[in-house]
Amino acid sequence: DTEVTQTPKHLVMGMTNKKSLKCEQHMGHRAMYWYKQKAKKPPELMFVYSYEKLSINESVPSRFSPECPNSSLLNLHLHALQPEDSALYLCASSQAEETASYEQYFGPGTRLTVT
Amino acid sequence: GQNIDQPTEMTATEGAIVQINCTYQTSGFNGLFWYQQHAGEAPTFLSYNVLDGLEEKGRFSSFLSRSKGYSYLLLKELQMKDSASYLCAVTDSNYQLIWGAGTKLIIKP
Repeated sequence: DTEVTQTPKHLVMGMTNKKSLKCEQHMGHRAMYWYKQKAKKPPELMFVYSYEKLSINESVPSRFSPECPNSSLLNLHLHALQPEDSALYLCASSQAEETASYEQYFGPGTRLTVT
Repeated sequence: GQNIDQPTEMTATEGAIVQINCTYQTSGFNGLFWYQQHAGEAPTFLSYNVLDGLEEKGRFSSFLSRSKGYSYLLLKELQMKDSASYLCAVTDSNYQLIWGAGTKLIIKP
């Protein structure tokens, strides 16, 4: 199984809502990532979890809150978002963070629209 | 600073060959990846180079010159389904993946 799954596929939320994005992988990968991608731009790294611990937070606003309940699951909790946060949110996993040669496997993404 | 340059857009004909170039300037180097991304979909892994030379994988090949900070992705026997964005990404000394902006490849019949 080389699949990373993400739910929901699409999400529309108001600026006062609270919602969560979910990501799951069963490849035994120990590193998991959240990316934000705007149209015609490359993925922009938000957070990295390595062995279930947050190892990188790329100065992301606190309205985005990651959580890694176990080695297979990664959540992104959203609260009080702004319209400019509308984007494709991608989850990825790799065997380990510290080893350069491991490719990242991406989920299909959640298309988020903030109204 | 860290910088990866790729052409913004390229056009090629079905059945032909196209070469997409990538130059990089990063703090350290631990390998270079090429990913393919169709519109509205997630990136998928194509290749990884860490040593100089050419890696061939079916219709796709990737080349690396570390001394020149240069790589290219070569696509042969182009098919319409190859229309996508191609992203070059470099792993730096902190094992962080630095992404290029991507090259949109348009295939014409």
